[in-house]
Amino acid sequence: GAGVSQTPSNKVTEKGKYVELRCDPISGHTALYWYRQSLGQGPEFLIYFQGTGAADDSGLPNDRFFAVRPEGSVSTLKIQRTERGDSAVYLCASSLDPTRLNEQFFGPGTRLTVL
Amino acid sequence: GESVGLHLPTLSVQEGDNSIINCAYSNSASDYFIWYKQESGKGPQFIIDIRSNMDKRQGQRVTVLLNKTVKHLSLQIAATQPGDSAVYFCAEEDSSYKLIFGSGTRLLVRP
Repeated sequence: GAGVSQTPSNKVTEKGKYVELRCDPISGHTALYWYRQSLGQGPEFLIYFQGTGAADDSGLPNDRFFAVRPEGSVSTLKIQRTERGDSAVYLCASSLDPTRLNEQFFGPGTRLTVL
Repeated sequence: GESVGLHLPTLSVQEGDNSIINCAYSNSASDYFIWYKQESGKGPQFIIDIRSNMDKRQGQRVTVLLNKTVKHLSLQIAATQPGDSAVYFCAEEDSSYKLIFGSGTRLLVRP
């Protein structure tokens, strides 16, 4: 039983570039969450999906950030025109359904560095 | 793996001693709370949870205390072990299935 996986584990990019971060949730989990964790801080909610649809995207900081989950499984977080302030660890989590907060399983994260 | 944070408050304890980690939460209407453990290079891992209709809940070697009057949570770890070294976060549920995390405490266990 694999857990939540995220690729790449590390991504270094230059300011202004476009990046995609991928999350493979646990099989059968309908809820999928993205968080951003800056150095020295707790994870900050970005967006969550129930199935294919974004149920709550209120945490996305601006319109440079977008996420999709077209088949209700794998999700991709997309960041356009990256800025140095986007540097952080991006965490993905999944659960059987959104009411089971205590059963949210986290992936190891993707560390994004914007030079 | 990446360090979770370089400027977190740090609690240093002797192996075998008990640890108490504190957390203040922001929303008096929150009624569900979770403690997470995060090791370097990994995502947060669930430890224990508590609902606001309780003031104490015990797990294996861990106890969570909730004081709603002062909006304060604590995590007690009994007989702390080297494997307990990590960053610990409290999180509260907001009104719509989202978690709001606190800023974390680093626990260092001295052998």
